[in-house]
Amino acid sequence: KNEVEQSPQNLTAQEGEFITINCSYSVGISALHWLQQHPGGGIVSLFMLSSGKKKHGRLIATINIQEKHSSLHITASHPRDSAVYICAVRGADKLIFGTGTRLQVFP
Amino acid sequence: NAGVTQTPKFQVLKTGQSMTLQCAQDMNHEYMSWYRQDPGMGLRLIHYSVGAGITDQGEVPNGYNVSRSTTEDFPLRLLSAAPSQTSVYFCASSYSNLNTEAFFGQGTRLTVV
Repeated sequence: KNEVEQSPQNLTAQEGEFITINCSYSVGISALHWLQQHPGGGIVSLFMLSSGKKKHGRLIATINIQEKHSSLHITASHPRDSAVYICAVRGADKLIFGTGTRLQVFP
Repeated sequence: NAGVTQTPKFQVLKTGQSMTLQCAQDMNHEYMSWYRQDPGMGLRLIHYSVGAGITDQGEVPNGYNVSRSTTEDFPLRLLSAAPSQTSVYFCASSYSNLNTEAFFGQGTRLTVV
């Protein structure tokens, strides 16, 4: 079993929909990262959080340390949000990555 | 401010050839790392460095060498390319190995035939 599990693996949505991507982990962590990877492109950091909730524009990230779970929400989704979203947790000495959630938003 | 610059973007190698993937950052970050990304798997750590002159192995170091002669540069060398090294490679940097934001390069898509 992977130390970081994301769900769903693939997600399609219509423009304007509210989207949730989940991340569960099984190791002790000091922080959790949400990353975005566009097709053929590099990886961009969206959030780093160790407790509570963070918001940036239409993106919201939450984490529940006790339940070892984090969610990434996208409000009013747009086709430009189409990308792979990756959850990564910082363990003792390294980042451990999930396999990503591929999101496609159609107009 | 260029961030993390990774070259080349694409490369095709024949089995047995060697090459160097370049990575440079201009943010004065101490921590730099190399990952490979394969289908169906999360990014895996190849090598990392916590500062100039210091490098260490990650999860999948075999077949790769690194050096860190300056804070800015962290090249990854493939000594004798194998088809199993076909992958997308990412360089990343952060201020430290603690809870700081990570910055990634654009990636190198390497094919070994």
